[in-house]
Amino acid sequence: NAGVTQTPKFRVLKTGQSMTLLCAQDMNHEYMYWYRQDPGMGLRLIHYSVGEGTTAKGEVPDGYNVSRLKKQNFLLGLESAAPSQTSVYFCASSYTRVVQLNTEAFFGQGTRLTVV
Amino acid sequence: GESVGLHLPTLSVQEGDNSIINCAYSNSASDYFIWYKQESGKGPQFIIDIRSNMDKRQGQRVTVLLNKTVKHLSLQIAATQPGDSAVYFCAENMGTGAAGNKLTFGGGTRVLVKP
Repeated sequence: NAGVTQTPKFRVLKTGQSMTLLCAQDMNHEYMYWYRQDPGMGLRLIHYSVGEGTTAKGEVPDGYNVSRLKKQNFLLGLESAAPSQTSVYFCASSYTRVVQLNTEAFFGQGTRLTVV
Repeated sequence: GESVGLHLPTLSVQEGDNSIINCAYSNSASDYFIWYKQESGKGPQFIIDIRSNMDKRQGQRVTVLLNKTVKHLSLQIAATQPGDSAVYFCAENMGTGAAGNKLTFGGGTRVLVKP
């Protein structure tokens, strides 16, 4: 059981380049999330999805787009990368709304992105 | 804006001692809280959670305490082991409406276990 898998694990981009981060989960979870983590800070929610074909903005959505065409995949896109987007990106999934006690959000291993 | 924060950025603990990690939150509407552990190079891992109608919850070697009066959350780790060395995050969730889908994370506390 792979859980939540993110690809790639590392990437270096030049300013203005575009890229897509892929998140895949094999737990049949409805909810998926993209977070970014910066030094000395907690995780901040970028976008999330409550089901296939749906997406919603999180806390810091600017400069990012997402798509959830298949239930098991959640893609995060950067159309024109900026140095401020240098961060570690984490994908997570959960079976139901976070509020349900004992419902855990399972996190991927992270993608370290550097924009130069 | 309202946020979740932590008092101590780094906590050094002797192996075998108990650890206490603190977290202050400011959103009185928060209904649900989770503690996560993040080891170097890995994603956050669920440790324990607690709902706002509870003031204490125990797991294996861990206890979470919630004081709604002062908006304070703590994680106690009994008999701290080297494997407990990690960054610990508290996170809150408001539980209802669209906000119920989201977690707001604190900045994290690094726990270093000394042999």
